[in-house]
Amino acid sequence: DTEVTQTPKHLVMGMTNKKSLKCEQHMGHRAMYWYKQKAKKPPELMFVYSYEKLSINESVPSRFSPECPNSSLLNLHLHALQPEDSALYLCASSQDGGGGNEFADTQYFGPGTRLTVL
Amino acid sequence: QKEVEQNSGPLSVPEGAIASLNCTYSDRGSQSFFWYRQYSGKSPELIMSIYSNGDKEDGRFTAQLNKASQYVSLLIRDSQPSDSATYLCSHTGANSKLTFGKGITLSVRP
Repeated sequence: DTEVTQTPKHLVMGMTNKKSLKCEQHMGHRAMYWYKQKAKKPPELMFVYSYEKLSINESVPSRFSPECPNSSLLNLHLHALQPEDSALYLCASSQDGGGGNEFADTQYFGPGTRLTVL
Repeated sequence: QKEVEQNSGPLSVPEGAIASLNCTYSDRGSQSFFWYRQYSGKSPELIMSIYSNGDKEDGRFTAQLNKASQYVSLLIRDSQPSDSATYLCSHTGANSKLTFGKGITLSVRP
């Protein structure tokens, strides 16, 4: 089973709202990722958690706040977003975040959350 | 800058033909290579992964890797209309960070 689940599927929020995106995997993977994808562009890495610790933050604005409560769950807390933050937000997981071989590096994506900021 | 270049699209092939998707990369430290398929409005789906030089086949798909020339390709045999999608070439380096190409849109004509 290579399933990553994400909730909600769609989210519409105002610029003053606070909301959270959730991601879950039960593959025993120890690395989890948040990506942002705009239309007709490739996914853009935001954050990487490896063994429940934040290992990469790609200079993401502080209005995006990631959280990894345990090895199976990943949240993305949203606050005071801008309309330009509207995008598809993708979660992914891999066996290991340290690199080194095809098996450990393979990332599996969830279905995404389509976010619209009004 | 460590980049992934994909040949410009869109690519259109007739049903039953071989579709050839090519990609070059600049980071000689790249270790693992992946092809993802993405349908419009959906998330990327892993199609093939390859780590060693040579060919790797899975059904109608063959991935080819040449680390000396820094290219990776995906061949789709007997192309079907359901193969119409955007294909993303990507690779990881030492920190497992995925670097994506811009993607190429494939259209298979019935």
